[in-house]
Amino acid sequence: EAGVAQSPRYKIIEKRQSVAFWCNPISGHATLYWYQQILGQGPKLLIQFQNNGVVDDSQLPKDRFSAERLKGVDSTLKIQPAKLEDSAVYLCASSLTGGPIYEEQYFGPGTRLTVT
Amino acid sequence: GEDVEQSLFLSVREGDSSVINCTYTDSSSTYLYWYKQEPGAGLQLLTYIFSNMDMKQDQRLTVLLNKKDKHLSLRIADTQTGDSAIYFCAESIASGTYKYIFGTGTRLKVLA
Repeated sequence: EAGVAQSPRYKIIEKRQSVAFWCNPISGHATLYWYQQILGQGPKLLIQFQNNGVVDDSQLPKDRFSAERLKGVDSTLKIQPAKLEDSAVYLCASSLTGGPIYEEQYFGPGTRLTVT
Repeated sequence: GEDVEQSLFLSVREGDSSVINCTYTDSSSTYLYWYKQEPGAGLQLLTYIFSNMDMKQDQRLTVLLNKKDKHLSLRIADTQTGDSAIYFCAESIASGTYKYIFGTGTRLKVLA
């Protein structure tokens, strides 16, 4: 089966500019996650969708970050305006149902964002 | 609180065993995981253990869980140069759907 797809793979922008990332989860996966991974750190959950509804966005900086998952399939994550500290790899992951029985979370290759 | 900690670096010689350690704070973890991340790639699930187990073995990988001390370890037997990567410990906490907390990662360097 095809994996989680993300684009672009790399993006360089200046601070105060806007940027958007796209994620296409594995077909049929109800749960979609966006993580931020700053260099030298582990992934930090930004937002979790169950179908097209938000389950957890407690760590999403809502003054500048937004995400949507229209029709419960693809998702976009937007940053507007970007700050230097937003430089990170943005990882998308999906899982079949989100729980409660064990299931694997599949990760995409990530989008590396550099804010100058 | 939710916190997962790991040592930052580990260096071993090819053929030796590697042991990567992790401590976590949330006792309500349902599953604990080990992921591998190679340069420029996403995270790859290596193995996981259910929180009511003490040990799990999967080929060269052995996971040990000490629930009392909230300590998780990953042992890689006969470490190869292809094992060089960053290893992340993670826990999932069931609150409706699973919430995943990742550690800071341990960079494993295997010397030929």
